[in-house]
This record gives sequence, C-alpha cells and structure tokens, in this order.
Amino acid sequence: AQSVTQPDIHITVSEGASLELRCNYSYGATPYLFWYVQSPGQGLQLLLKYFSGDTLVQGIKGFEAEFKRSQSSFNLRKPSVHWSDAAEYFCAEYTNFGNEKLTFGTGTRLTIIP
Amino acid sequence: IAGITQAPTSQILAAGRRMTLRCTQDMRHNAMYWYRQDLGLGLRLIHYSNTAGTTGKGEVPDGYSVSRANTDDFPLTLASAVPSQTSVYFCASSQGQGKTQYFGPGTRLLVL
Repeated sequence: AQSVTQPDIHITVSEGASLELRCNYSYGATPYLFWYVQSPGQGLQLLLKYFSGDTLVQGIKGFEAEFKRSQSSFNLRKPSVHWSDAAEYFCAEYTNFGNEKLTFGTGTRLTIIP
Repeated sequence: IAGITQAPTSQILAAGRRMTLRCTQDMRHNAMYWYRQDLGLGLRLIHYSNTAGTTGKGEVPDGYSVSRANTDDFPLTLASAVPSQTSVYFCASSQGQGKTQYFGPGTRLLVL
C-alpha cells in the first residue's frame, strides 16, 4: 500500500540553526510531492510542491526541499530557523488509483528554543 | 476573500446525534475533500468529490456521508455520532487532478 513516512515525530532546534525534516514516499517513479505546515489551531498551508523538473524546490518562508529518486525521499530544509517556524509539518504524496487523493505522513512537530 | 470556509469552528455533540459540517469554497475548484486529523495518524481522507454531482469514498468513510449538489458546497454528515468520531475535520479543494489542495481552518468536534 502506498505510504508516506516521516520518521521524526518531534524535533527541537535552536533559533538560527539549520533544519532538515525527513520524508520518504513509497509510490511512483514520478511522484507529486508536497510539504504543508500547520500552526497550532490552524489549517494547513502549502509550503512547496514538486511535480517534475528541478529536484531542488523553493518554497515560502525560506524553505526548500530536495527530491531524491534513488532514496525515495523529499526532505524539507531551512538554513536558519526562526521562532515563528514552530509548527507541525506534513509531507504528502498525490496518487490517482481511480480516485485522486493526498496521502499524508503522520507529521513532525518542530519546537524552536531560544 | 477567496478561500475555504468551514462551520462550525467547534462543536460538542452528544453521541447518537446527527451533525452536518459545512464547507464552502469560492475558488470554483472542481474537486473537494474531507479529512480527519487525529494525533499520531496525520490526515486521513474520509470522502471526496471530483466534480459537482459525484462523490467517492476515501480511507475512512464509515459513519460519514457527503453530497455535492453544486461546485461550491461540500457538506459532511455524521448520521449518528460516536465518540470515535471526535477529531478535527478539514475540508480542502483543488482545481483538478494532481493540483495543490487548499485547506479550510478546520472544525473541532467532540463527541461525548
């Protein structure tokens, strides 16, 4: 069955430090991949997406993600985190097995310490 | 303001009661979705609609029904609520296949 794995449930990072959130997908030679962010009590906001082309994708708020087919990964990175980046981050893959849907990972909660 | 609205924002419901969660989008998107979000499980698809007049089942459809009478509205109904339906419910929409999904602010539902 298709799945999206986010192996880190919770990550704590110091403000100003770099960040990498891991995501592995299980389906497709040419996947459609997304990263969403959810602030406490809020809905999900799209950070970035990969459909094809350049494997390094730039998103909003200074985030980027790199698609690596050989590793089935789509890790999210930011060179220097800000306190406002504290949130839950979800990786997702689009599939269409007769019905189109997004399959989400279980999320990674990011805590920022001063 | 363009986007997706959901109502109510939150609700406490007695088990066995009927409840309809409302979702409206003004982006003229063809496809709409309902997800539930539970701790440790991420978001799971309940039902979807690729276009007005059609609906389909997602991963966790039992206990829920939907209708899509027009492009803008996609209500989710719990015919007889049970405590396991306590969750946060998100509505989303997209222009079509493979397109980005845009999410509403969510409805927090507690079934007692």
